[in-house]
Amino acid sequence: GQNIDQPTEMTATEGAIVQINCTYQTSGFNGLFWYQQHAGEAPTFLSYNVLDGLEEKGRFSSFLSRSKGYSYLLLKELQMKDSASYLCASMDSNYQLIWGAGTKLIIKP
Amino acid sequence: GAVVSQHPSWVICKSGTSVKIECRSLDFQATTMFWYRQFPKQSLMLMATSNEGSKATYEQGVEKDKFLINHASLTLSTLTVTSAHPEDSSFYICSARPPGQGLETQYFGPGTRLLVL
Repeated sequence: GQNIDQPTEMTATEGAIVQINCTYQTSGFNGLFWYQQHAGEAPTFLSYNVLDGLEEKGRFSSFLSRSKGYSYLLLKELQMKDSASYLCASMDSNYQLIWGAGTKLIIKP
Repeated sequence: GAVVSQHPSWVICKSGTSVKIECRSLDFQATTMFWYRQFPKQSLMLMATSNEGSKATYEQGVEKDKFLINHASLTLSTLTVTSAHPEDSSFYICSARPPGQGLETQYFGPGTRLLVL
């Protein structure tokens, strides 16, 4: 079956670094996405990895290891506005997104 | 960037009534649109894939007679929840895939929150 696993909730301190992990098993693979979702809002795109390695985009970086079925999202210099749910999604062989349940990130001052 | 709108953003209705949700691509033509449903603290679940000019493809377990999808133009897809019941209360999100870009590209609408009393 298809499965996406990510932690339910994480807590971090403002100004610190946090890494949100995601493991996936899908029928075929066409890339791994990370989205940010604030409560009551639709997801907003953060990153897309289809090749192994680290992609850096400002304070956010995303890593992919296809052989391990593993990705992480790294957030640096955390700000209070980064408090949100972070959704990991894998695109399968039919180009459909298989979504994780999301990781709720709580930022404390 | 590409913009997708949804209307209404909020809807409250009585049990047994039908509710129509619109999804529009504002600055591009979308041959393919997707409808998702998200219950609180759960992941997005794909309900159906809507292709302009043809019938929607529904995911397993989604009743096509209850969730009617019409993709009549390249900029508009509608989802009608027929005879809504309280268990249909959820956050409904559409996304659109523009032509000419990679199949990994989707733009999400802001979502519609449905509450059935």
